[in-house]
Amino acid sequence: DIQLTQSPSFLSASVGDRVTITCRASQGISSYLAWYQQKPGKAPNLLIYAASTLQSGVPSRFSGSGSGTEFTLTISSLQPEDFATYYCQQFNNYPPTFGGGTKVEIK
Amino acid sequence: QLQLQESGPGLVKPSETLPLTCTVSGGSISSGTYYWGWIRQPPGQGLEWIANIHYSGSPDYNPSLKSRVTISVDASKNLFSLKLTSVTAADTAVYYCVRQRREEFDFWGQGVLVTVSS
Repeated sequence: DIQLTQSPSFLSASVGDRVTITCRASQGISSYLAWYQQKPGKAPNLLIYAASTLQSGVPSRFSGSGSGTEFTLTISSLQPEDFATYYCQQFNNYPPTFGGGTKVEIK
Repeated sequence: QLQLQESGPGLVKPSETLPLTCTVSGGSISSGTYYWGWIRQPPGQGLEWIANIHYSGSPDYNPSLKSRVTISVDASKNLFSLKLTSVTAADTAVYYCVRQRREEFDFWGQGVLVTVSS
């Protein structure tokens, strides 16, 4: 299985901050990477797919980049509703796998 | 708007079989090139993909669970199902049904918590 390592696993930030989360794959996955946001007690919500394509309805302050083995999710200006846990996910190979998550909390 | 709704027992005894169903509304399970699947999340932990299936058949399974899992689809009822046999406490999790668009999961059910305990 392809392992995805997210960093940091936890970050504390303030409203208005620029936030970057990294996801590293154990082998090349081209651009077959997605990002999800999960709030407590809720299902994950798709933010980004194909590494950099914004899902319909997702605010433009979210962006994704990268290919191969290193990817980033950036929130350009953190909003109160963005405090949540973020997961990356690959589907270059079966089985699809997820990163361990990055919890974004209020400083 | 597409909606997915999981149903199943909230409590299952060890060694028994866990049956789950996902009812799809607001769209046909037979349309397009979508796959339909299951993902689980143990309490306080990360996400694990379990299986997927196309309405025409051809399931795929996570090798870590393949010996215990069966996924099936009933296009006439617009639903798909999962069976997990010989459950243990390690199978305690929130189980989500999902739509797989290409390489991403774009619609999720609200999730159902399943506890394995005697």
